Amino acid sequence: DAGITQSPRHKVTETGTPVTLRCHQTENHRYMYWYRQDPGHGLRLIHYSYGVKDTDKGEVSDGYSVSRSKTEDFLLTLESATSSQTSVYFCATSGQGYYEQYFGPGTRLTVT
Amino acid sequence: GESVGLHLPTLSVQEGDNSIINCAYSNSASDYFIWYKQESGKGPQFIIDIRSNMDKRQGQRVTVLLNKTVKHLSLQIAATQPGDSAVYFCAEIRQGAQKLVFGQGTRLTINP
Repeated sequence: DAGITQSPRHKVTETGTPVTLRCHQTENHRYMYWYRQDPGHGLRLIHYSYGVKDTDKGEVSDGYSVSRSKTEDFLLTLESATSSQTSVYFCATSGQGYYEQYFGPGTRLTVT
Repeated sequence: GESVGLHLPTLSVQEGDNSIINCAYSNSASDYFIWYKQESGKGPQFIIDIRSNMDKRQGQRVTVLLNKTVKHLSLQIAATQPGDSAVYFCAEIRQGAQKLVFGQGTRLTINP
């Protein structure tokens, strides 16, 4: 494993509440990513970071924001959770851009 | 359209046999391919990668073959073991696109 942890691992929240997921890495990797995984859609990129305070949108970024104030932490925030955001969220890191990404254990989020 | 897909959603093999998991891609501009293994309840695990200037690459018990003529990628697992049971994803990076695109996955089950 690439020393990636995610917290919380499971969360149930109500529609309209804010939610923040945390990804922490000990590999000093420059690049970090947030994906969501849903049946029938595979893994889809939400947002990514190419350095501290440098972030950009992925293919499914609507309703999500991210922040990266230090190399080891990448936060994903759902400002107002919706049922369509029920999913498993994975963080990934890479020292080489999009190449050879290493994934965390995932966070299962349920929005009721 | 853009697509990275798998020929079969499920594959069952006998323990000790070789497994071959296939993947088709549609974009001839793709220049890097990765295979991931995902066990139940865990994040995807990097297995092996291959660049478009190669036809074959071998790892420990795994071989990836790339046929650019027919845009086909395969993962061969030698002497399949119970621990190989998982969902296997192929993913591609298109030159200049800065985007890792995942296929839907193939579930590999091992029969004793």
